[in-house]
Amino acid sequence: AQSVTQLGSHVSVSEGALVLLRCNYSSSVPPYLFWYVQYPNQGLQLLLKYTTGATLVKGINGFEAEFKKSETSFHLTKPSAHMSDAAEYFCAVSPDYGQNFVFGPGTRLSVLP
Amino acid sequence: NAGVMQNPRHLVRRRGQEARLRCSPMKGHSHVYWYRQLPEEGLKFMVYLQKENIIDESGMPKERFSAEFPKEGPSILRIQQVVRGDSAAYFCASSPPAQNTEAFFGQGTRLTVV
Repeated sequence: AQSVTQLGSHVSVSEGALVLLRCNYSSSVPPYLFWYVQYPNQGLQLLLKYTTGATLVKGINGFEAEFKKSETSFHLTKPSAHMSDAAEYFCAVSPDYGQNFVFGPGTRLSVLP
Repeated sequence: NAGVMQNPRHLVRRRGQEARLRCSPMKGHSHVYWYRQLPEEGLKFMVYLQKENIIDESGMPKERFSAEFPKEGPSILRIQQVVRGDSAAYFCASSPPAQNTEAFFGQGTRLTVV
């Protein structure tokens, strides 16, 4: 069975500071990994995904994530936070390229002025 | 090509009433997935449907919940005799029939039971 953990249900950073949102997964098969963002009262927007190939994945809005198989991690980073980054972020794993997802509990990012 | 359309966006029901949530997949998509997001929680898988077939309903509560995806028309998630604990955001995702294709999410329906 697959599972996803996200360390820290709530992360606060100052505007311009580094954003680091942690995601660890467990999977019996090589997974496909995703980060989604959810703005208040909105749906899910795909930030980035890892399927195969390069382990450092770049996404929208300046975010990137690195797949580290040895650590079973897929942490999300952004060098400089912007106020508009305040949202809920979900890490997800899928065994089949993004159809059947298992989501983490989410991390709420607050950006302080 | 419109995205995945869910309606209504917001739905208020009194305890004991029925709630019907609709999901129109993207054009060309024949696979539909329903997820539920309880307050302060992540999304939990409920059911996976293809046209006229339920493929996986392992995440569906055993009672009061049902889902369908008819040959024509949207997918429907139906909740009978709603209770306050059913208050949540319900998201639908759709994908094409081919392997190795990504699913896309709708905006969700926020159900409030009063």
